[in-house]
Amino acid sequence: LAKTTQPISMDSYEGQEVNITCSHNNIATNDYITWYQQFPSQGPRFIIQGYKTKVTNEVASLFIPADRKSSTLSLPRVSLSDTAVYYCLVGPDAGNMLTFGGGTRLMVKP
Amino acid sequence: GAVVSQHPSWVICKSGTSVKIECRSLDFQATTMFWYRQFPKQSLMLMATSNEGSKATYEQGVEKDKFLINHASLTLSTLTVTSAHPEDSSFYICSASGGRATSGRTDTQYFGPGTRLTVL
Repeated sequence: LAKTTQPISMDSYEGQEVNITCSHNNIATNDYITWYQQFPSQGPRFIIQGYKTKVTNEVASLFIPADRKSSTLSLPRVSLSDTAVYYCLVGPDAGNMLTFGGGTRLMVKP
Repeated sequence: GAVVSQHPSWVICKSGTSVKIECRSLDFQATTMFWYRQFPKQSLMLMATSNEGSKATYEQGVEKDKFLINHASLTLSTLTVTSAHPEDSSFYICSASGGRATSGRTDTQYFGPGTRLTVL
């Protein structure tokens, strides 16, 4: 299982773009990168998943460089409601993406 | 789509009693379900993996006789905390996977809302 490393916490202000980077130096060829968001006392919510280059959905973008040893979750124009913990996981499938690291605690300020 | 529910959302019980938590996939068939535990200010810790119709696989350090898992159908898994004690108080979260990949993606875990267990 590829180990991931993320910043423990980040602060931002409403309306700014937030970029959270995850390092996964030992990512395997068939591993995907998945990001989840978790609010207090709630289960994690799937945000985005990618394998290479760039993936975008209605919530976020995921940038993955050619060597795939890191990835960056980009949240455009954050609001107070984006305050949460964000987790990055890597693995070839759901059954092999079960190790949650410490995540990144994002605080969005007014 | 991909909605997972848990019941109850919270439970308070006396020490020594057993508590059952249900996890349901509402709009898809879950070939595999996972149970996690999360203590305050900590990350999720995987407890066990269950496949429909077979015995659950427990992580190291998780007592299978204390945390009974049953995955009787493709939409329902239950976790029973037997003879609960105050140290079992935690936030229990299940997730489900349908085992299906879409273009450019692999199969994904979808999480339930969690169950807060407090043992007095």
